[in-house]
Amino acid sequence: GPKVLQIPSHQIIDMGQMVTLNCDPVSNHLYFYWYKQILGQQMEFLVNFYNGKVMEKSKLFKDQFSVERPDGSYFTLKIQPTALEDSAVYFCASSLPGRGQLYFGEGSKLTVL
Amino acid sequence: QQKVQQSPESLIVPEGAMTSLNCTFSDSASQYFAWYRQHSGKAPKALMSIFSNGEKEEGRFTIHLNKASLHFSLHIRDSQPSDSALYLCAVSMPSNTNKVVFGTGTRLQVLP
Repeated sequence: GPKVLQIPSHQIIDMGQMVTLNCDPVSNHLYFYWYKQILGQQMEFLVNFYNGKVMEKSKLFKDQFSVERPDGSYFTLKIQPTALEDSAVYFCASSLPGRGQLYFGEGSKLTVL
Repeated sequence: QQKVQQSPESLIVPEGAMTSLNCTFSDSASQYFAWYRQHSGKAPKALMSIFSNGEKEEGRFTIHLNKASLHFSLHIRDSQPSDSALYLCAVSMPSNTNKVVFGTGTRLQVLP
């Protein structure tokens, strides 16, 4: 089936550093999402993105977070500066317009020390 | 704000049993209702979705939606150990932003 690729699979950084998580969505998909999951529990919506702009963001999407997809390349989530509570697995997903189904990547596990 | 709750939090059933998972949501104008399954350390994968009231069956899985009751469910017939996973229900927001909110999750363990 359609594949979403996430890089890196795991990153360990010190608190206060910047991190960029990369997502290569399904090629013909137009909606992109980032979700945060802690300890294998609830998948919490962070933000979604369409046509070069943020459609909606949650309260979890702090000012230190940003997303972009420059020139149709990777869809990125940047956190600057990181905090201890940012430690989680971040999942990227993509979908077609009007079709609800999301296709997820395998996740990027972020550990902030 | 859309609230999506699941019950039970966890469930242990014997192989061959019927398993029923529940999801409640807060906005009856929601448009997309789905169940995803996530094996440990893996990506969530869509199992089934439904857009209007009623029932839909695919193999051992049946999804049932009642918008008036703000409730939908997943039933797994003849549960298998390979069905052991975290089950997440998902609901789209009734807006034009395509936001999809996930429930709190039900962890299912099927014992051989």
